[in-house]
Amino acid sequence: NAGVMQNPRHLVRRRGQEARLRCSPMKGHSHVYWYRQLPEEGLKFMVYLQKENIIDESGMPKERFSAEFPKEGPSILRIQQVVRGDSAAYFCASAPREASTDTQYFGPGTRLTVL
Amino acid sequence: DAKTTQPTSMDCAEGRAANLPCNHSTISGNEYVYWYRQIHSQGPQYIIHGLKNNETNEMASLIITEDRKSSTLILPHATLRDTAVYYCILGGGITGTASKLTFGTGTRLQVTL
Repeated sequence: NAGVMQNPRHLVRRRGQEARLRCSPMKGHSHVYWYRQLPEEGLKFMVYLQKENIIDESGMPKERFSAEFPKEGPSILRIQQVVRGDSAAYFCASAPREASTDTQYFGPGTRLTVL
Repeated sequence: DAKTTQPTSMDCAEGRAANLPCNHSTISGNEYVYWYRQIHSQGPQYIIHGLKNNETNEMASLIITEDRKSSTLILPHATLRDTAVYYCILGGGITGTASKLTFGTGTRLQVTL
């Protein structure tokens, strides 16, 4: 059973470009979470999605950031017009359809570097 | 508004048991205690969780005090590969749906030869 997959593992963008981060949850998991870890800091929740629905986006910056989890395909975290402060590791986690606890399974992360 | 407090760092000799404490004096009746760890630069890894009874799995044991205000994660025979930051997190009520994890600063466990 493959774990949570994220790609790309490393992404370099220049200021003003767009970054698209992909997350494929574990098989049978329909809950997806995105977290961000700034350099030398802890992980911070960004957004929680179920298929075609955003459940909690309380951790998402108000501008430039968006997330989706379509009926088919991976979840996408999109950052428009990136700035140097967006440089961080972005982790995706998934949980099963019948999730009633907070056991989440994390992917290896995408390291975003903004030049 | 940290709901858990953990020591910043701990050392443990390889082969010994590592006992990582966590205080959660404001835990509510239906909150679970979860433990995750993050090995350098990798994605966090789920370890174990419990509500009120002690729990054991292939990775660790979780001891929760009777008043549920504190708990201890035990790695029975620590190895160098257990060097990581360990996070104690509250969440996931019995009837609730899975929700976001709030990571604190955790305990940096260094296992040494």
